Amino acid sequence: NAGVTQTPKFQVLKTGQSMTLQCAQDMNHNSMYWYRQDPGMGLRLIYYSASEGTTDKGEVPNGYNVSRLNKREFSLRLESAAPSQTSVYFCASSEHVGTVRGEQFFGPGTRLTVL
Amino acid sequence: SQELEQSPQSLIVQEGKNLTINCTSSKTLYGLYWYKQKYGEGLIFLMMLQKGGEEKSHEKITAKLDEKKQQSSLHITASQPSHAGIYLCGAVPLSGTYKYIFGTGTRLKVLA
Repeated sequence: NAGVTQTPKFQVLKTGQSMTLQCAQDMNHNSMYWYRQDPGMGLRLIYYSASEGTTDKGEVPNGYNVSRLNKREFSLRLESAAPSQTSVYFCASSEHVGTVRGEQFFGPGTRLTVL
Repeated sequence: SQELEQSPQSLIVQEGKNLTINCTSSKTLYGLYWYKQKYGEGLIFLMMLQKGGEEKSHEKITAKLDEKKQQSSLHITASQPSHAGIYLCGAVPLSGTYKYIFGTGTRLKVLA
């Protein structure tokens, strides 16, 4: 099993350019998440998908859109990149039983720089 | 919004020494998770605690959750260079929510 995979690993954009970060998981998890990690601020939730067909905003959704393409794949799109979106982006997935939330499994991250 | 406070922010210990990292919330938590992150890499799951007073161990790492489910500690016994990295605590702040929260991490360096 590959777990959670992310592409690309590194990306440099110019202000105003758009791009899509791809994420896939092979653990048959219902829930998937996108986080950004910035120095001194920990992990902050951008968007999440509790189950296939649903998406919801997290703590910092502005400037981003997401698509839960199917149960395996959850993509994050930056329509018009800004320098403030320079960060490391992590995708994660988890399973849950009722209201009990399981541990999250993380991808290796995408290091994005916006000039 | 609810936050997780981690302490210390950084730690340098001599190989063989014991150490403790703390994670504190002002409110009850419905799931507490410890992760390790190597520099420039993703997060690796270590342990999950759900019940007040729960304690789990794996190799030389022990995690505890207090009875009120507001504070957790991660204890490493006889530290080794392989323990070096960033330790993060994560939690579910509301029952049934999907919005996990995370502490800012503790950077651990172990001197050989």
